[in-house]
Amino acid sequence: DAGVIQSPRHEVTEMGQEVTLRCKPISGHNSLFWYRQTMMRGLELLIYFNNNVPIDDSGMPEDRFSAKMPNASFSTLKIQPSEPRDSAVYFCASIGGGDTQYFGPGTRLTVL
Amino acid sequence: DQQVKQNSPSLSVQEGRISILNCDYTNSMFDYFLWYKKYPAEGPTFLISISSIKDKNEDGRFTVFLNKSAKHLSLHIVPSQPGDSAVYFCAARLMNRDDKIIFGKGTRLHILP
Repeated sequence: DAGVIQSPRHEVTEMGQEVTLRCKPISGHNSLFWYRQTMMRGLELLIYFNNNVPIDDSGMPEDRFSAKMPNASFSTLKIQPSEPRDSAVYFCASIGGGDTQYFGPGTRLTVL
Repeated sequence: DQQVKQNSPSLSVQEGRISILNCDYTNSMFDYFLWYKKYPAEGPTFLISISSIKDKNEDGRFTVFLNKSAKHLSLHIVPSQPGDSAVYFCAARLMNRDDKIIFGKGTRLHILP
C-alpha cells in the first residue's frame, strides 16, 4: 500500500495566483481530511469528506479556499487567489473505519 | 478557541530518562484521545490512543494517562531514545463525530545525548 499520496510536495507561487493541491487517499478509505499546519495555529482541520461528500467545512478560512472530491480516489484543495498568509504545510489524511487517520507527506506552500 | 491545548512548545530530555508530554482539553464531550508523532518533512503518524472509559493505556515504551476530572492527559516515554526526537500532537475526538478529530499545536521533543 502506497499510503496517502499528495502532490506537489512543494509549491512556490506569487500572490494572486491560483494554487491546486492534490490528494489520493488510501484505497478503501471512505473519509478524507484536509489540514493546514502553521507555527501559530498548529494543525487545523479545514474540511473533511465522507464517501466523497463534504461533511464539515467549518475550518475553511474563507471563500478563496475550495475543496472537491470527485471520486473515492482523488481530492483537490484550491486557493484562488492565493495570499502570503496562506503559506503553510497542507496535509491530507484518510481513514477507513478504524480510529486512526493516515496522513500524507504534506505540501509545503509558499506564496510570495 | 483552542479545545486541545499543549502549553509546552518544546521539551528537552536526556537520553534514557523519562519524557512527559502534557495535554489539556476543554470539551467534556471528547470521548477518545490520540497522540501523533511527526518527523520533519513527513506527515504525522499515529502513536497511541486512549478511550475516555480508561485512565491508562500502555504500548511498549509509551504510556498515555487520562485524568478526566482534570481534563488532562499525558504521554510518557520511558526510556527516551534519540529517535523519539519529533513533534508530538495531542488530539481528541468528539462523541458521535466518528471521524473528526481536533489537534493541539504540538510539542517539540528533543532527546539529548
